[in-house]
Amino acid sequence: KNEVEQSPQNLTAQEGEFITINCSYSVGISALHWLQQHPGGGIVSLFMLSSGKKKHGRLIATINIQEKHSSLHITASHPRDSAVYICAAPNNNDMRFGAGTRLTVKP
Amino acid sequence: DSGVTQTPKHLITATGQRVTLRCSPRSGDLSVYWYQQSLDQGLQFLIQYYNGEERAKGNILERFSAQQFPDLHSELNLSSLELGDSALYFCASSVTNNEQFFGPGTRLTVL
Repeated sequence: KNEVEQSPQNLTAQEGEFITINCSYSVGISALHWLQQHPGGGIVSLFMLSSGKKKHGRLIATINIQEKHSSLHITASHPRDSAVYICAAPNNNDMRFGAGTRLTVKP
Repeated sequence: DSGVTQTPKHLITATGQRVTLRCSPRSGDLSVYWYQQSLDQGLQFLIQYYNGEERAKGNILERFSAQQFPDLHSELNLSSLELGDSALYFCASSVTNNEQFFGPGTRLTVL
């Protein structure tokens, strides 16, 4: 069992739909990261959160430390949101990554 | 643009060779992280430096080494290259252990 698991692995949505990507982790962490990797390969850090909820534009990230679960939501999805979304959990002096969720938003 | 630069963008080399990847962090960031992303293994943390000192070590092979210089740029040295070392290598920088800003990556192909 991976220490950081994401679901779904692939997700296809129509423009405008509400998207949810889930991340469960088994390692003890102080904060969880959500990353976005564009088709060209570049990685952007979206959120780092240790409790509750954070919002940035149409993106919302939540975390439940007790349940070791985090979700990334995208409201009013757009084709430009198409990317791979990766959650990452720092553990001691290491960082463990989920396998990523490939999101495709169709116009 | 994250403010983190990496050179070269692409690198093609042969098995057994040695290469050096370079990373310049954002101005003011003291921490530099190196990551490897291969098709079969996904993203893996390699090593972290903070203000010139090694801070954390992940799945870094003995054939790989890194350092951070006084001007805070960092280099990742990969030696005795194998086909399996072909991957995207990212560096990221941050202020202490806060949000990380990723560079564009170096795509290494070992033939």
